[in-house]
Amino acid sequence: DGGITQSPKYLFRKEGQNVTLSCEQNLNHDAMYWYRQDPGQGLRLIYYSQIVNDFQKGDIAEGYSVSREKKESFPLTVTSAQKNPTAFYLCASSARDNFVSNQPQHFGDGTRLSIL
Amino acid sequence: SQKIEQNSEALNIQEGKTATLTCNYTNYSPAYLQWYRQDPGRGPVFLLLIRENEKEKRKERLKVTFDTTLKQSLFHITASQPADSATYLCARFNDYKLSFGAGTTVTVRA
Repeated sequence: DGGITQSPKYLFRKEGQNVTLSCEQNLNHDAMYWYRQDPGQGLRLIYYSQIVNDFQKGDIAEGYSVSREKKESFPLTVTSAQKNPTAFYLCASSARDNFVSNQPQHFGDGTRLSIL
Repeated sequence: SQKIEQNSEALNIQEGKTATLTCNYTNYSPAYLQWYRQDPGRGPVFLLLIRENEKEKRKERLKVTFDTTLKQSLFHITASQPADSATYLCARFNDYKLSFGAGTTVTVRA
């Protein structure tokens, strides 16, 4: 079955440490996204990529970094510069957006990151 | 900036009743609105998309309306079942990305 796989499901970060969250999709989608979800808040966009080797900052990119070297993969690094990293992180993918169509997004089951 | 808001109160209803959720947006009407379902500890799952020129869209027991005058979309779950208990998110599309509301949590009592 096609889908999006996020790993690990739970992750703990020590102070001053960078951690990387994995996101892999086999849906052959061009576009991929990273969101952060905090209790009582909507999903906030961190980074997105519409094509391999290209990505843009979302609304809350500070303290995060990404890469898009392969179509299937869009890892997110939470750096030590992100002072409040505790949250639920969601990865999504979609067929490439354009002004004409509005493709639904397919989500993974998230990674919950906590501070030790 | 374009904002999207959902009624923040959780909704508790009796099985068999209709749940109605509200999604309000600011500024110009989006060309599309999407609705998702999210279960605890899981990622959202796409349910329905409604276009600006569509007044109503249905899928099984779900119905979505889009009122550009009121700047509002309503999401209805008819003949609700305990399995419908979840958080429902609306999202608008602008600038190549989706902006999500905070969601409304629905609990259906047997």
